[in-house]
Order: sequence, then C-alpha cells, then structure tokens
Amino acid sequence: EDQVTQSPEALRLQEGESSSLNCSYTVSGLRGLFWYRQDPGKGPEFLFTLYSAGEEKEKERLKATLTKKESFLHITAPKPEDSATYLCATFSGSARQLTFGSGTQLTVLP
Amino acid sequence: DAGITQSPRYKITETGRQVTLMCHQTWSHSYMFWYRQDLGHGLRLIYYSAAADITDKGEVPDGYVVSRSKTENFPLTLESATRSQTSVYFCASRTGDRGSTGELFFGEGSRLTVL
Repeated sequence: EDQVTQSPEALRLQEGESSSLNCSYTVSGLRGLFWYRQDPGKGPEFLFTLYSAGEEKEKERLKATLTKKESFLHITAPKPEDSATYLCATFSGSARQLTFGSGTQLTVLP
Repeated sequence: DAGITQSPRYKITETGRQVTLMCHQTWSHSYMFWYRQDLGHGLRLIYYSAAADITDKGEVPDGYVVSRSKTENFPLTLESATRSQTSVYFCASRTGDRGSTGELFFGEGSRLTVL
C-alpha cells in the first residue's frame, strides 16, 4: 500500500522568509509525484508533476524537487498570497489511482 | 461556463436519509472521481469512473453508490447517511491521457453534515 506523509502539518512564515515543505513517500514503482495547492473553501489546484529523482519544476516563488524517497516544495521569499494548504500525491505501479498526503497548511504573515 | 461544478455546495441531513451529490463537467474528460476530505486523513478516494458506464471502487466506498450514464455527470449517492459521512466531498476529472494521470481538476466541494 502506498503511503505519503507530509511535514510539517502547519507552518507559519513571515513574508520573505524562505522555507521548504516535505513530502516523503513509500510506494512501489513511482510513476509520478504531484503537488497541489488548496485555498480555504476551494478544491485543490494542480501545480507540478515530477517523474524521476533529480527532476525540478518551478513556478513563480515555488520550486519542487524529487529524490527517491521524498519531494520538497521550496518557497522563496513568500508573500501572504502564498498562504494555502499544499498537498502532494503519488501515482505508482501498484496503486490504480492517486494517493494523497494530508497536506501542509502554510500561513505567510505580512 | 466551462469547468466542473458540484451541487449542492452545502447540505445538512439526518441519519438514515438518502442524499445525492451532483457533479457536472464540461470538458468531456473521460475520468471522474469522488473524494472525501477529513481533518487528519487528507483526500480519500471513494469511487472513480474511467468512462460512461464504467465505475470502480476507491479506498473508502462503503455506504456510497455512483453511476455514470453520461460522460459529463457523475452523481454520488449516500443511500442511508451516517454521521461518519459528515465530510467535504470533492468531485474531480481528468483526461484519459497517460501523461495526465496526476493532473486532476477539482470542483469547489460539497460540505455535507449528517445530524
């Protein structure tokens, strides 16, 4: 059974204070790792797909990286509008559909 | 408007009643999904459908029924609601492309409270 664990559960940053969110996974035959952003009262919104260790993707202040055991979402100089819950998910050879982590709730204070 | 819409957005019902949550998408995506989201559990897959008239169980299907007679609609029915089914329900869709396996498009959610 695929397992996805995100840490920390919650993170509070000052505006401009860079940090990283972690997504560790135990899957058999990873076929893709995905990051989503979820605003309060909304559905998740797709951000990135990573397929293999060493791969990186960037979008504005966000950069996602992937190793064989975990993925990081680096947030550089965050702004209050980056406040949201960030979810990661995996797709593997053994699971038929995505397995989601519980998310990290990020709050960026002005 | 194009997109994926869920209704109702909010529903309060009583234990034992039947409830149907509706999901409609305008993209003609082949895959559609129902998830529930609860504190501490993240998103858990209830049922999914790869095409019209093809449905399959996810991680937590007990107590739920789905159908997909048309590509654009994927209703979720709680035949006899229980308090443990109080949750936020999300419908999602994606294309059938192999490269889009993880790129789901989610609706705004339906918050269900079972008293």
